[in-house]
Amino acid sequence: DQQVKQNSPSLSVQEGRISILNCDYTNSMFDYFLWYKKYPAEGPTFLISISSIKDKNEDGRFTVFLNKSAKHLSLHIVPSQPGDSAVYFCAASANDYKLSFGAGTTVTVRA
Amino acid sequence: GAVVSQHPSWVICKSGTSVKIECRSLDFQATTMFWYRQFPKQSLMLMATSNEGSKATYEQGVEKDKFLINHASLTLSTLTVTSAHPEDSSFYICSASYRGHSYEQYFGPGTRLTVT
Repeated sequence: DQQVKQNSPSLSVQEGRISILNCDYTNSMFDYFLWYKKYPAEGPTFLISISSIKDKNEDGRFTVFLNKSAKHLSLHIVPSQPGDSAVYFCAASANDYKLSFGAGTTVTVRA
Repeated sequence: GAVVSQHPSWVICKSGTSVKIECRSLDFQATTMFWYRQFPKQSLMLMATSNEGSKATYEQGVEKDKFLINHASLTLSTLTVTSAHPEDSSFYICSASYRGHSYEQYFGPGTRLTVT
């Protein structure tokens, strides 16, 4: 049972424009959400996180928005850069420190 | 900071043999380590969670006798795939977390296992 869903397997965006990645979850017990970035044959690297008590967290070019009522979060990357081309995983935790991951969205930034 | 290493980065073994994969936290003490498996173009699937000095907790459907996990110290965990078969071929990734940042896991680079 996939509790975290990333329904867009891929996203192509022009350099300098905004990338918006979406993530939906079904488990109402999730209280912490994270985004990871992964290059081929490497482990994921932590990007940004948000607690369920907030609805927005910003770190440089990356902003995560959380809509608890809709069980939806999104990651905004602006401006997108070629180095942002990677697979992005949404993950969630329910206070037990285990992470449930989405299937990932492959982002390609075009020059 | 928060660097996690894995060894080996890739391994090829014959069916029926056992393979050990090491996961080390290089610059912090990991209270908890996690082992994941990733199939091509799919998400990371948690296999087990281990705390230093105690037995690992396996996720449903993961054979504990086949995937032996040892968390001997705060900086080292090992995963041994016993009697490997071709269907065990996969990308195995470990992660570690430490006090005060338990939600945030720091991942190793992964180990590509191919069983022939």
